[in-house]
Amino acid sequence: KNEVEQSPQNLTAQEGEFITINCSYSVGISALHWLQQHPGGGIVSLFMLSSGKKKHGRLIATINIQEKHSSLHITASHPRDSAVYICAVREGSQGNLIFGKGTKLSVKP
Amino acid sequence: ETGVTQSPTHLIKTRGQQVTLRCSSQSGHNTVSWYQQALGQGPQFIFQYYREEENGRGNFPPRFSGLQFPNYSSELNVNALELDDSALYLCASSLMGANTGELFFGEGSRLTVL
Repeated sequence: KNEVEQSPQNLTAQEGEFITINCSYSVGISALHWLQQHPGGGIVSLFMLSSGKKKHGRLIATINIQEKHSSLHITASHPRDSAVYICAVREGSQGNLIFGKGTKLSVKP
Repeated sequence: ETGVTQSPTHLIKTRGQQVTLRCSSQSGHNTVSWYQQALGQGPQFIFQYYREEENGRGNFPPRFSGLQFPNYSSELNVNALELDDSALYLCASSLMGANTGELFFGEGSRLTVL
């Protein structure tokens, strides 16, 4: 079993839909990152969370430390949101980053 | 744009050769980490350098080695290349000890081993 599990693996949505991507982890962490990777390969950091909730534009990220679960929400999705979204956790205080396999999102116009 | 640049962007090598990949970190960042991402998979942690010393390593053999320079730029060296080393290699810079710990990734170097 992977230490970081994401669901779904693939997601197709219509423009305007509300999207949720989930991440569950099994190790103790100091932080959780949500990352966005476009087809060219470059990765952009969206959020870093250690508790609670963060919002940036149409993106919202939440984390429940007790349940070892985080969600990334996209409101009013747009085709430009199409990308792979990756959850990564930092094990311990300065430990390694452990990545999920990613969720491939495709938003159709 | 993250301020992290990697070179080369693409390269092709043959089995047994050696490769050096380079990463210049964002200004002011003292930590750089390297990741290997095989096609269709999430990135895997290779190692991390903090102030020119390796301070964390993933499950990669010794033929994967690195350096960090006084200006905090970094190199990843891979010796005796194998076909399975074909992947996207990503580096990320951060500021160790900062409250944010946010990561800034480069665009990656895509290595193909024939």
